[in-house]
Amino acid sequence: AQTVTQSQPEMSVQEAETVTLSCTYDTSESNYYLFWYKQPPSRQMILVIRQEAYKQQNATENRFSVNFQKAAKSFSLKISDSQLGDTAMYFCAFRGRNAGNMLTFGGGTRLMVKP
Amino acid sequence: GAGVSQSPSNKVTEKGKDVELRCDPISGHTALYWYRQSLGQGLEFLIYFQGNSAPDKSGLPSDRFSAERTGGSVSTLTIQRTQQEDSAVYLCASSLAAGLEGEAFFGQGTRLTVV
Repeated sequence: AQTVTQSQPEMSVQEAETVTLSCTYDTSESNYYLFWYKQPPSRQMILVIRQEAYKQQNATENRFSVNFQKAAKSFSLKISDSQLGDTAMYFCAFRGRNAGNMLTFGGGTRLMVKP
Repeated sequence: GAGVSQSPSNKVTEKGKDVELRCDPISGHTALYWYRQSLGQGLEFLIYFQGNSAPDKSGLPSDRFSAERTGGSVSTLTIQRTQQEDSAVYLCASSLAAGLEGEAFFGQGTRLTVV
């Protein structure tokens, strides 16, 4: 079974600075997708970024980028130029074929951006 | 509708009563997930429906919990004889299951309070 681990329950960062959230996972599959979701205080889950395991190039979406290390099974999220609106819970997620395409989430990291 | 719809948005019930939570996924999405989220915590997987396949019920915490999905669309999560520890936000998500890359779209959740 796939497992996803987020080792940082809480983090904080000053506005305009850069922060990196960690995620590791365990799988025997070779092709899969990894996702980062954001859950602000409004409770609405929003997709931030996704990465296909077969692609070596790290995905980027504006201020959000990932550092995907397939051999190490690591998938960290970097937020550049942090903004107050980035304050949220961030969840790492894995989807592979072995579990019927089911989406498996990590425990989350609560990020606080301070003014 | 344009997104995943959950009802009710809030539910207060007395201990021992049964409750039904409803999820209306995005039209055409064959995958549907239920998760439970206790206050400020991560996502606890409950059940996963994938097309016409038998649902993955491995996350249901007890036999008081059940879910069904009628006609491959609307899903109902039923909790019988509710307990105070059932108090949480129940999130539903749907996705196009054909590919691993598909984004899971979440509803706003149902906040269940058992008094």
